[in-house]
Amino acid sequence: DGGITQSPKYLFRKEGQNVTLSCEQNLNHDAMYWYRQDPGQGLRLIYYSQIVNDFQKGDIAEGYSVSREKKESFPLTVTSAQKNPTAFYLCASKASGGPDTQYFGPGTRLTVL
Amino acid sequence: EDKVVQSPLSLVVHEGDTVTLNCSYEVTNFRSLLWYKQEKKAPTFLFMLTSSGIEKKSGRLSSILDKKELFSILNITATQTGDSAIYLCAAPSGGYQKVTFGTGTKLQVIP
Repeated sequence: DGGITQSPKYLFRKEGQNVTLSCEQNLNHDAMYWYRQDPGQGLRLIYYSQIVNDFQKGDIAEGYSVSREKKESFPLTVTSAQKNPTAFYLCASKASGGPDTQYFGPGTRLTVL
Repeated sequence: EDKVVQSPLSLVVHEGDTVTLNCSYEVTNFRSLLWYKQEKKAPTFLFMLTSSGIEKKSGRLSSILDKKELFSILNITATQTGDSAIYLCAAPSGGYQKVTFGTGTKLQVIP
């Protein structure tokens, strides 16, 4: 069963702590993405990666970091420098040479206490 | 800077009404525009448009692209409560893998 998974589903964090969100895909996609969604709003791009060991900042990268050591995995770290991290985080992947359709994971809801 | 703007931001209609959602875009080396529906969690794909003037249809939903005026519309006829969702449009930047999403339109269909 091909797909994209995110964990955990819900995450609670105290202020000042770093936290890492997991994203894994077995679709053999080269490109992967992290988006942030605030209540009732659209998706804002945090980081994206076109290929292993390479990634680019999106529109709201400050306070976040990523790595892409394996094709299947694109973890996102929310650092203590992120001023307002409470949000819904979506990971997506896309085939590089094919249609532009992105496939999304189920999301992680992060709450900072 | 790439930009995708949707309107209206939110909409409340009665079952049976027809709605039109708008998406305008300014992206580098445009190649396609995509529509997604988001009900609870993960957005699901609706349409991908690459050519002007060619309508894509799926049941009560249809969409069209105008590359001259840089916009797309999504029409939903005979709306049902199950159509209640956030509708997102997105445009990849040609030559790169960056994808920019719009602000979304939150549609609520009431019985």
